[in-house]
Amino acid sequence: EVHLVESGGILVQPGGSLRLSCVASGFTFSTYWMHWVRQVPGKGLVWVSCINSDGNNISYADSVKGRFTISRDNAKNTLYLQMSGLRAEDTAVYYCGRGGRSVRVTYDWGQGTLVTVSS
Amino acid sequence: DIQMTQSPSSLSASVGGRVTITCRASHDISNYLAWYQQRPGKVPKVLIYAASTLQSGVPSRFSGSGSGTDFTLTISSLQPEDVATYYCQNYHSAPLTFGGGTKVEIK
Repeated sequence: EVHLVESGGILVQPGGSLRLSCVASGFTFSTYWMHWVRQVPGKGLVWVSCINSDGNNISYADSVKGRFTISRDNAKNTLYLQMSGLRAEDTAVYYCGRGGRSVRVTYDWGQGTLVTVSS
Repeated sequence: DIQMTQSPSSLSASVGGRVTITCRASHDISNYLAWYQQRPGKVPKVLIYAASTLQSGVPSRFSGSGSGTDFTLTISSLQPEDVATYYCQNYHSAPLTFGGGTKVEIK
């Protein structure tokens, strides 16, 4: 069974930095696309970023480009999202998602971690 | 960037009724379209990918159709457990945008 466990969400001040982690189990992590998707409670889903299996194909939403960096450590079965220059509008639950081997559908989702950006 | 427009934003239907949700892409995305269900307080779940392929374990009352720019999700016989918000997503090209969502309730 696929398990995705996010961590790292906290209250951070505007302009601050934060790193989210997602530990994966139940599948061969190193062969799948991975995603970050966020959701303001009560609002819609917003795709943030994705990374392919070996980390050489990465994309970002325009709203986070230049501020967020996605990465992965296949030896540790862990996905990361390094967030900097945080803004109030980055406040959301951040979900880690498993894509396909060659398809960027999000087949499995973690439970999410809440990031709050506020002074 | 590809914009995804869903309609309606909300609807209510009777148990056993037929529900249709539409999703329009601003550019041709072929069949690179997925539908997700998010029940209240729960994590999203993929229902359909490649516009019309049912994910394993999803009830057959769900179906998807379309190609290019216009897509449809149909629930043939609405059940109480289908109360949820439904999202379409382009996965043809980044950014992999979601539609705004359609909230489905029971009348």
